[in-house]
Amino acid sequence: KAGVTQTPRYLIKTRGQQVTLSCSPISGHRSVSWYQQTPGQGLQFLFEYFSETQRNKGNFPGRFSGRQFSNSRSEMNVSTLELGDSALYLCASSYGTGSNEQFFGPGTRLTVL
Amino acid sequence: AQSVAQPEDQVNVAEGNPLTVKCTYSVSGNPYLFWYVQYPNRGLQFLLKYITGDNLVKGSYGFEAEFNKSQTSFHLKKPSALVSDSALYFCAVRELASGGSYIPTFGRGTSLIVHP
Repeated sequence: KAGVTQTPRYLIKTRGQQVTLSCSPISGHRSVSWYQQTPGQGLQFLFEYFSETQRNKGNFPGRFSGRQFSNSRSEMNVSTLELGDSALYLCASSYGTGSNEQFFGPGTRLTVL
Repeated sequence: AQSVAQPEDQVNVAEGNPLTVKCTYSVSGNPYLFWYVQYPNRGLQFLLKYITGDNLVKGSYGFEAEFNKSQTSFHLKKPSALVSDSALYFCAVRELASGGSYIPTFGRGTSLIVHP
């Protein structure tokens, strides 16, 4: 089985722009979660989608949004980028939620200049 | 609110010696507990999890973890460390929240360095 894929792998944007990141989960997985990883804050949960519905949301401003499509692929969008948004954005998929372990993609490295 | 603490930023151990990476948690109900490992320039990989039942959980690459409810701990252990075990280790907890959802919380990570 192919693993979780994320595109693009690297991205450079300037303040005020918006960005869309994409995630393709493992085949058969219906849950997709997004995380922000930074050296200072560690791994912070953004949101989780299950069967096209947002099930959970972390403590991030409304500039961060996401969606999930019927094939379980997911996108996250960040509008009005700030310097502090520079981070590694990780996508993780799992068969279900709760007790199911997550399988992580390699991440998208976003740099905001 | 749930929380996870990994009290050590870095753990150093000699190859062949036993290793322990510590994790404590705080939840109001019954937790699901996980350990993940992140190798340099690679994504996080699942190691093991505790849901219920036997307090000693065995996982990938010879790792194991012991769930201790009274001490609210879930320490990761391995009897004999390998240089290739050097990586960043994350403890995570998921607790049932209102509305039937499970919010995940990760610890800040512990860098394990195994010396030859």
